Amino acid sequence: NAGVTQTPKFQVLKTGQSMTLQCAQDMNHNSMYWYRQDPGMGLRLIYYSASEGTTDKGEVPNGYNVSRLNKREFSLRLESAAPSQTSVYFCASSEVRDSPYGYTFGSGTRLTVV
Amino acid sequence: EDQVTQSPEALRLQEGESSSLNCSYTVSGLRGLFWYRQDPGKGPEFLFTLYSAGEEKEKERLKATLTKKESFLHITAPKPEDSATYLCAVQAYSNSGYALNFGKGTSLLVTP
Repeated sequence: NAGVTQTPKFQVLKTGQSMTLQCAQDMNHNSMYWYRQDPGMGLRLIYYSASEGTTDKGEVPNGYNVSRLNKREFSLRLESAAPSQTSVYFCASSEVRDSPYGYTFGSGTRLTVV
Repeated sequence: EDQVTQSPEALRLQEGESSSLNCSYTVSGLRGLFWYRQDPGKGPEFLFTLYSAGEEKEKERLKATLTKKESFLHITAPKPEDSATYLCAVQAYSNSGYALNFGKGTSLLVTP
């Protein structure tokens, strides 16, 4: 099983450009999440989707939008990229929002905004 | 505001030298505490979930314990392959959607 697949793995953007980070899971999980990881800051929640058809803001949602396209896919969009959005982005999923098995994470997208 | 603090930030051990990592937390209504391992360039990998004070979980050389204010990850006779960053996360009833709130991690290096 592939688990959680994120594309692309690496991306360089110019300030002001837009892009969409893709995430898909094949575990029939209901809940999906987007985190960013920065040195010295740890993992911070951007947006989450507790179930298909719902999305909610996390700790750091400004500058981002999300779409829960279907049960498998949860995308993250940067409309106008800024250098402060340089980070490693992780998508994760869980069977239910309070799963005892925690989250399954993808391998990340390393984004640089110049 | 919920807080998760991990210490030390970095730890260097010799192979076979046992030690403990600490995760202290301040949350309004702890639902669960999670431990993850993260290797360089990869996403975090789930290790344990603890729900109540006094609970313990073990996996190979790792044992996680929980009190009302902190959790410890004990590493017994570590090997170089245990080198990684260990992340602690709390799930609180007050968190939006019960989403996990992560600490900054402890970077562990085990030398031969």
